[in-house]
Amino acid sequence: ETGVTQTPRHLVMGMTNKKSLKCEQHLGHNAMYWYKQSAKKPLELMFVYSLEERVENNSVPSRFSPECPNSSHLFLHLHTLQPEDSALYLCASSQIGLLRSGELFFGEGSRLTVL
Amino acid sequence: EDQVTQSPEALRLQEGESSSLNCSYTVSGLRGLFWYRQDPGKGPEFLFTLYSAGEEKEKERLKATLTKKESFLHITAPKPEDSATYLCAVRDNYGQNFVFGPGTRLSVLP
Repeated sequence: ETGVTQTPRHLVMGMTNKKSLKCEQHLGHNAMYWYKQSAKKPLELMFVYSLEERVENNSVPSRFSPECPNSSHLFLHLHTLQPEDSALYLCASSQIGLLRSGELFFGEGSRLTVL
Repeated sequence: EDQVTQSPEALRLQEGESSSLNCSYTVSGLRGLFWYRQDPGKGPEFLFTLYSAGEEKEKERLKATLTKKESFLHITAPKPEDSATYLCAVRDNYGQNFVFGPGTRLSVLP
């Protein structure tokens, strides 16, 4: 496996379900991100894990819960979602440092549909 | 607050018809400006990083340039396989977020 892999690629869930999205990066990076991409909107940062610190967008509802057990793995736990949460959820990684540009490298995304 | 806008929203070109996409930004201390290509249903693919005004980078038919307020992505003699959405993003010196623009959807017709 190379790059950033996300599973599942597609997920359909009811509003009362609990599910998780998984992301794994094989690039040796030290930061991982969750972004949300909705139709006709720019990518929106949800969470960042960098050097064991978590940064979050305060506008993200508590029904989204991230987990980062190590620098290579990232999860997004979903519970009691709303139909407006249907979107493409993108995981990314980057190498953060004083001399590094920190480009984001994205996975293929998990397309979530909430019924 | 960092902001990124892109124009046009959509662009249709004939194969071989060169053009430019615009990315305008406001940022408190630019750490980097990034261009990405995104195909439908896929994650964005990294193209270029630009760090300072006057810098240029090229890759095949694409050339990215940077001024203090804008970046341009020039597409020379495009082919249908260049059809995609092109995203611009900035990162400032103070945070860990990348602020993205809404993208330009490019269609190149054969």
